[in-house]
Amino acid sequence: AQTVTQSQPEMSVQEAETVTLSCTYDTSENNYYLFWYKQPPSRQMILVIRQEAYKQQNATENRFSVNFQKAAKSFSLKISDSQLGDTAMYFCAFIPEYNNNDMRFGAGTRLTVKP
Amino acid sequence: NAGVTQTPKFQVLKTGQSMTLQCAQDMNHEYMSWYRQDPGMGLRLIHYSVGAGITDQGEVPNGYNVSRSTTEDFPLRLLSAAPSQTSVYFCASSSLIGAANEQFFGPGTRLTVL
Repeated sequence: AQTVTQSQPEMSVQEAETVTLSCTYDTSENNYYLFWYKQPPSRQMILVIRQEAYKQQNATENRFSVNFQKAAKSFSLKISDSQLGDTAMYFCAFIPEYNNNDMRFGAGTRLTVKP
Repeated sequence: NAGVTQTPKFQVLKTGQSMTLQCAQDMNHEYMSWYRQDPGMGLRLIHYSVGAGITDQGEVPNGYNVSRSTTEDFPLRLLSAAPSQTSVYFCASSSLIGAANEQFFGPGTRLTVL
């Protein structure tokens, strides 16, 4: 079974600075998808960024980018120019290509952006 | 366009009671799913559906039933609530078969079983 590990339960960053959230996963599959979701205090889950394992280029969405290291099974999220609105729980998630209904989530990292 | 809606937002049950959590989406998505979120854990898949009339079990299906009679609705039923089912429940949908595309989540239902 696939597992997703987020080793940082809580992190904080000063406004306008950069922060990196870690995620590792365990799988024997070669093709899969990885996601970062944001959950603000409103509880609404919001997709931040998505990476397809067969693509070597790291995904980027505005201030959010990932460092995808397939061999190391690592998928970290970098948030640049942190804003107060980035304060949230961040979840890393994994889906194998053969069973793309079997989405697995990490336990989450609580990020606080300080003014 | 309301997206994914869930009712109720909060619910308190006594052990042994039954109830249905409602989920509806207005985006004509084929794929819908239910997750539970517990403290210190990520979301875990309970049941999912790839279209009207088709449902299947996820990682933690015990104690829950689902049905999908229409594309829009995907209710989750607790037949006999237990304290272990205290959790926050999320419904989600996506536009293509499978979950590899963006899933849109509802606002969640916080359920407490006493």
